[in-house]
Amino acid sequence: SQQGEEDPQALSIQEGENATMNCSYKTSINNLQWYRQNSGRGLVHLILIRSNEREKHSGRLRVTLDTSKKSSSLLITASRAADTASYFCAPSLLSTGANSKLTFGKGITLSVRP
Amino acid sequence: EPEVTQTPSHQVTQMGQEVILRCVPISNHLYFYWYRQILGQKVEFLVSFYNNEISEKSEIFDDQFSVERPDGSNFTLKIRSTKLEDSAMYFCASSRRGSVDTQYFGPGTRLTVL
Repeated sequence: SQQGEEDPQALSIQEGENATMNCSYKTSINNLQWYRQNSGRGLVHLILIRSNEREKHSGRLRVTLDTSKKSSSLLITASRAADTASYFCAPSLLSTGANSKLTFGKGITLSVRP
Repeated sequence: EPEVTQTPSHQVTQMGQEVILRCVPISNHLYFYWYRQILGQKVEFLVSFYNNEISEKSEIFDDQFSVERPDGSNFTLKIRSTKLEDSAMYFCASSRRGSVDTQYFGPGTRLTVL
């Protein structure tokens, strides 16, 4: 499968704690994107990391990419109840050309307890 | 901040009827996509579109589906004869430069086929 595979499937933490979510993929990528989806709602783009980048920050988000291991992680620091959602990684594969589709895994269900 | 918009937010139709889902991508974007998400399942790629033609389509995107960019702003998905299994959330997405850029998703149209 070409999709990103997220791990763990579900994560429950206390407000204020950090949440770490992992993603693995199988083929070479242009970039890897992380999205959030609140129940029954649309996909909100969180961050894009390119294949030549190793780490990227955006507010409370930190993303790492290890192309040798074909893996990425998303860290949410100082979590809030509003971070409760499903999180998806979506690799943009090098092989599918300029129009590269995103392939989504099953996602990680994050629950942040107040 | 520019965003992708979709109408309607919810569409109910009878099996066998035609439906048209509408999207207005971000104005300076050149690459357009449709994805769908059946309730409780993964987000699945349907089709990508660039330069007024389909770039790639999935096996889901059979002869019952078609896409069109009828003017400079709208991007539509037509399902000619809906089936019960077409019930899903349909997401439109757009990107400025294709695979090297973020794909921004609209809020989705929930299609219910009775």
